[in-house]
Amino acid sequence: QQPVQSPQAVILREGEDAVINCSSSKALYSVHWYRQKHGEAPVFLMILLKGGEQKGHDKISASFNEKKQQSSLYLTASQLSYSGTYFCGTDAGGSYIPTFGRGTSLIVHP
Amino acid sequence: DGGITQSPKYLFRKEGQNVTLSCEQNLNHDAMYWYRQDPGQGLRLIYYSQIVNDFQKGDIAEGYSVSREKKESFPLTVTSAQKNPTAFYLCASTQGGEAFFGQGTRLTVV
Repeated sequence: QQPVQSPQAVILREGEDAVINCSSSKALYSVHWYRQKHGEAPVFLMILLKGGEQKGHDKISASFNEKKQQSSLYLTASQLSYSGTYFCGTDAGGSYIPTFGRGTSLIVHP
Repeated sequence: DGGITQSPKYLFRKEGQNVTLSCEQNLNHDAMYWYRQDPGQGLRLIYYSQIVNDFQKGDIAEGYSVSREKKESFPLTVTSAQKNPTAFYLCASTQGGEAFFGQGTRLTVV
């Protein structure tokens, strides 16, 4: 079953912040985040394992609340290069095979 | 450079024909995957293989077949039984939870 991502789309100006949420109806072992630019392959951002960890990568960070079966991706001081579609992938079985959400389209304007 | 190579980039198929999409990797990864991407649907898992000569059905395997005779290669055949094959197909391999994607094949039925 696909995880649910929200919002479906976000439009920002450079420098603004955004949060993308991902929730699952199943208990999760890991959550994966990817970004895909139009016509390109998805690119791995980070993976979070159960245990409620938080990770960061430059100005992009994420949290994983195992009890709530939710993850959030935080984009701080967004840049034009952040534009794209963000996918969360969830793994309930510990196999690292993600089931992807439908994606959140992020558009950053100058 | 190591990576995933998919070919062809664009493929046109007549109704009733089988077509095979190529996926090769030189990352020495054991696990390989095929995803289908439709607008607004995210990435849906078709088949995956975690070891040579073994593969498993994903969420939408009907109308597709795969083989895994070599570690480097994981071709996908879209058969005439697939009722709606027009889509963007992505091949991936994984290492430690991080997935590396190919550039995709866009299949169109004419």
